[in-house]
Amino acid sequence: AQTVTQSQPEMSVQEAETVTLSCTYDTSESDYYLFWYKQPPSRQMILVIRQEAYKQQNATENRFSVNFQKAAKSFSLKISDSQLGDAAMYFCAYHTGANSKLTFGKGITLSVRP
Amino acid sequence: DAGVTQSPTHLIKTRGQQVTLRCSPKSGHDTVSWYQQALGQGPQFIFQYYEEEERQRGNFPDRFSGHQFPNYSSELNVNALLLGDSALYLCASSPGHRDYYTDTQYFGPGTRLTVL
Repeated sequence: AQTVTQSQPEMSVQEAETVTLSCTYDTSESDYYLFWYKQPPSRQMILVIRQEAYKQQNATENRFSVNFQKAAKSFSLKISDSQLGDAAMYFCAYHTGANSKLTFGKGITLSVRP
Repeated sequence: DAGVTQSPTHLIKTRGQQVTLRCSPKSGHDTVSWYQQALGQGPQFIFQYYEEEERQRGNFPDRFSGHQFPNYSSELNVNALLLGDSALYLCASSPGHRDYYTDTQYFGPGTRLTVL
């Protein structure tokens, strides 16, 4: 079965510091797309960053970057200069090129301390 | 540019009733996917509609059905509601392709369904 594992249920970071959220996945496909979504208390699932598996270069979006280790099937999210507005639940997800069904992890709750 | 919209925001039903949830995709998107998110869990894929047909389906019973209209909006119907159907129902849209899937899905704010 295709799965996504987020082993840390909760993390906390001091404002302006850096935090890394871990994710591992399991798929036998070679063509797939990885995502981090953020879900604040407002419930809206917001795209944070996307990585194509065929690209070796790690994706970056402003303060957000990923460490994509394809052989290890690891896809961690690094948030730099954390802000209070980063506090939310973060979900790691992927779909394959042959199937658009997104498979999500259980999520991690990130709190930001002022 | 309007994003994905969903209605209603909240809904309370009793066991055995039927419910219809609605979704309008982001402008330029023609593919709609539905997800169920139980409290404290990640979303689970229900099904996806493209060109007014159900293209893919997750592991949900036939009580869950849907429809897509010519304007690409979509409905999710759940019959014979169970207590376990209480969840946040998320709609996501993406630009569609017939034979391959590369696009990012953008989510709406969700509908919170409570079954008593």
